Amino acid sequence: DVKVTQSSRYLVKRTGEKVFLECVQDMDHENMFWYRQDPGLGLRLIYFSYDVKMKEKGDIPEGYSVSREKKERFSLILESASTNQTSMYLCASRRFYEQYFGPGTRLTVT
Amino acid sequence: RKEVEQDPGPFNVPEGATVAFNCTYSNSASQSFFWYRQDCRKEPKLLMSVYSSGNEDGRFTAQLNRASQYISLLIRDSKLSDSATYLCVVNKRGRDDKIIFGKGTRLHILP
Repeated sequence: DVKVTQSSRYLVKRTGEKVFLECVQDMDHENMFWYRQDPGLGLRLIYFSYDVKMKEKGDIPEGYSVSREKKERFSLILESASTNQTSMYLCASRRFYEQYFGPGTRLTVT
Repeated sequence: RKEVEQDPGPFNVPEGATVAFNCTYSNSASQSFFWYRQDCRKEPKLLMSVYSSGNEDGRFTAQLNRASQYISLLIRDSKLSDSATYLCVVNKRGRDDKIIFGKGTRLHILP
């Protein structure tokens, strides 16, 4: 079974803090993704990566950056957290056209 | 027109009934189609792929209509455990080979 894990299920941070969200997959997938999911807005793609050290902007990259130093690990970074980044963050890896999601991190920025 | 559109619902359906969802997509070059299921406070998981010839998995039937650019999901003999949000997913072929998620249709099965 494919497993995608995320470092935290719940996280509370203060405005202006630097936040790291970690994602690890164990199936040697090349493609990894970061989404945020908000009520009424659905899943929105933040960044994705097709290979180590490679990254591409998604639909809403502003305020975020990513890092992919190893194939199995894809990190999302909020350089200076803001209240409008309070959301559910979902990481996914992909085999062909099927995406496997992690359990999500519910981030609250106060 | 949005790339992938779904009726957000909620659909409130009595247990045992048949329920159908539709999803429309705007890019005629789309190649692959899927239905994902997302339970409350959980991550989305693949329910089934959708093939041109239609496909069935137990009580679930998925169909694709390329001419009208929509896909459908039919659930027969609905169970309480079918309550979830159903996401329509379309793979858009092109330079970026993007996967597009619909916003989902919420289904509540009533006892």
